[in-house]
Amino acid sequence: DGGITQSPKYLFRKEGQNVTLSCEQNLNHDAMYWYRQDPGQGLRLIYYSQIVNDFQKGDIAEGYSVSREKKESFPLTVTSAQKNPTAFYLCATRRGGALQETQYFGPGTRLLVL
Amino acid sequence: ELKVEQNPLFLSMQEGKNYTIYCNYSTTSDRLYWYRQDPGKSLESLFVLLSNGAVKQEGRLMASLDTKARLSTLHITAAVHDLSATYFCAVSGLAGGTSYGKLTFGQGTILTVHP
Repeated sequence: DGGITQSPKYLFRKEGQNVTLSCEQNLNHDAMYWYRQDPGQGLRLIYYSQIVNDFQKGDIAEGYSVSREKKESFPLTVTSAQKNPTAFYLCATRRGGALQETQYFGPGTRLLVL
Repeated sequence: ELKVEQNPLFLSMQEGKNYTIYCNYSTTSDRLYWYRQDPGKSLESLFVLLSNGAVKQEGRLMASLDTKARLSTLHITAAVHDLSATYFCAVSGLAGGTSYGKLTFGQGTILTVHP
C-alpha cells in the first residue's frame, strides 16, 4: 500500500514537555512538508524539506524542530517553546515533475495540551 | 509576501443550485491548487491548475485560473449533499524562486448543501 502515515492520531502534551509527531511515506517523494491547522482556519507551513539532510523554516517555525535523515521520514518535534501547540498537524509530500506537482496529505495528528 | 483570500468563507446552498467560490492571490504564481477537506479529516487534492486559462472539471466541480487577474474560481453545478465540505485554494511560488514548492493556503470556504 502506497501512502503517507502519521502517528499518533491523537497526542496529549503536558506543560513543558517536548513531543514528536511521526510522518512516514513510501511514495518515493523527495519533498515533505509540515502544516498546522487551527480550527476554522487554513493551513500554515511550519517546516519543509526538499531533499534528505536539508530542510527550511516555513512561516511559523518558532517552537518546532524537524529532521530529515531518511527520504521516507520527516518527524516534527513540538518543543516546550511552542506556547500554543493545540492544533491539527498535517504532513504532506510532493512528487516532482514539470507538469504535475501536487501535494499529498497524510491523515493528520491532533495535538492537545493537558 | 504571498496572500491568498477566498470568498465567501461560508456558503449555504440548496441542492440543485449553482454557485462559485473565488480565490484571489496577491503575487505572481504559476500553480494553483484546490483541495477538499471533510470534517476532522485530511485534505484531498481536487485540481491542479498550471497555466493561464486552465480549466479542469470533475463531476459537478469545475476550476479555472486567470493568472493575469490573479484569480481562480471553483464552480459548483447542481449541488448535491455529498459536496458539503470545506474547500481550500492554495498557491505555489514561481518555479526557480526560493519559495518554489511551498504552498500558501486560503482560509477555506465551508460549503453546506441542504435539501
